[in-house]
Amino acid sequence: EPEVTQTPSHQVTQMGQEVILRCVPISNHLYFYWYRQILGQKVEFLVSFYNNEISEKSEIFDDQFSVERPDGSNFTLKIRSTKLEDSAMYFCASSGLSRKPTSYEQYFGPGTRLTVT
Amino acid sequence: KNEVEQSPQNLTAQEGEFITINCSYSVGISALHWLQQHPGGGIVSLFMLSSGKKKHGRLIATINIQEKHSSLHITASHPRDSAVYICAVKGNDMRFGAGTRLTVKP
Repeated sequence: EPEVTQTPSHQVTQMGQEVILRCVPISNHLYFYWYRQILGQKVEFLVSFYNNEISEKSEIFDDQFSVERPDGSNFTLKIRSTKLEDSAMYFCASSGLSRKPTSYEQYFGPGTRLTVT
Repeated sequence: KNEVEQSPQNLTAQEGEFITINCSYSVGISALHWLQQHPGGGIVSLFMLSSGKKKHGRLIATINIQEKHSSLHITASHPRDSAVYICAVKGNDMRFGAGTRLTVKP
């Protein structure tokens, strides 16, 4: 069964460093998402991406964050200058075989645990 | 005020019991998701629904759009159902509930 993959599974970085979290969505999916979950808290939406541009973003997704689909398979989340409060599990998801994303379930990757020290 | 409220926060059941988890929301939505998060952190989508009822095996999800309420039912619960169950709604963006931690004892 197709699945969303994410690398690395765990990333440790120092405050102020840039990190790139990588995701390979399910082939033929058109909509891509990033979420985060701070330890012990609820999952939070960061951004959705369609047709090579951001379609929605939350107030969390400020100028420190960016997303990119550099080739036909990868979908990346970059944090330019990490802060301690960026420590969280980051989940990628993908959905949709047509232009109606709400019609399709989202498939989540296993997550990348980011630890900022 | 949370836009997505789940109840109960924690639920312990004996194997075989019928389980209900509730979700109420206060925003206009186009779809509601039920997700399962395992102890290791991985998230699995169980259902996405915008009206009525869906059933997968022992799981049933219902939604009442007028009342802004959804329920997730598990019939004949099993210890492997132990997980956190999360309700999420798609409005302008996705909003998540805090989750219901279910423990099913053998």
